Amino acid sequence: EADIYQTPRYLVIGTGKKITLECSQTMGHDKMYWYQQDPGMELHLIHYSYGVNSTEKGDLSSESTVSRIRTEHFPLTLESARPSHTSQYLCASSEYGSSGNTIYFGEGSWLTVV
Amino acid sequence: GENVEQHPSTLSVQEGDSAVIKCTYSDSASNYFPWYKQELGKGPQLIIDIRSNVGEKKDQRIAVTLNKTAKHFSLHITETQPEDSAVYFCAASVTNTGFQKLVFGTGTRLLVSP
Repeated sequence: EADIYQTPRYLVIGTGKKITLECSQTMGHDKMYWYQQDPGMELHLIHYSYGVNSTEKGDLSSESTVSRIRTEHFPLTLESARPSHTSQYLCASSEYGSSGNTIYFGEGSWLTVV
Repeated sequence: GENVEQHPSTLSVQEGDSAVIKCTYSDSASNYFPWYKQELGKGPQLIIDIRSNVGEKKDQRIAVTLNKTAKHFSLHITETQPEDSAVYFCAASVTNTGFQKLVFGTGTRLLVSP
């Protein structure tokens, strides 16, 4: 079982608001990820991190930003939310090392921007 | 970059029947192929994975096969049960400088009827 936690699970906010989605893992994993998933659709990588002070853009362009100040924490921030940001955001983590390490997902944060 | 195709998009079976989901990938350098199960409102959960040095792997009712030459891999679920109903995602991964980045298929919605 993965120990990766996301808050909030569900959020409805107004256009133009700033929002931070929290993600924490207690497994000591170096690598962390944020995926975006529309309902019933595939997952797209939007951000990832090799470790503390490392952040990289993923395959899907996103207006969100991330930070990695502590190993266990990888928050995602939207400075000014828009309806197009409505989606599910999934945080994940894995160990650094040889290829094929398991990626563990959190339960997801459902964001609706009205 | 890597591209993963997944078929079928929906699959309906009777309880006790077998279910097969197929994926193809484009990058011959991919070396890790996990399968995730996602239940409604939850994050993806790893159910089985296979690495490029293995042709088949089995875990109770679930098995995965890999054909590196043809660049395709499949998930087999035997003796299906209603609780197997979920969306299943395949993924392929290429390790780049020690970092694993998953590319997901588009998902298969499996419905097991009692």
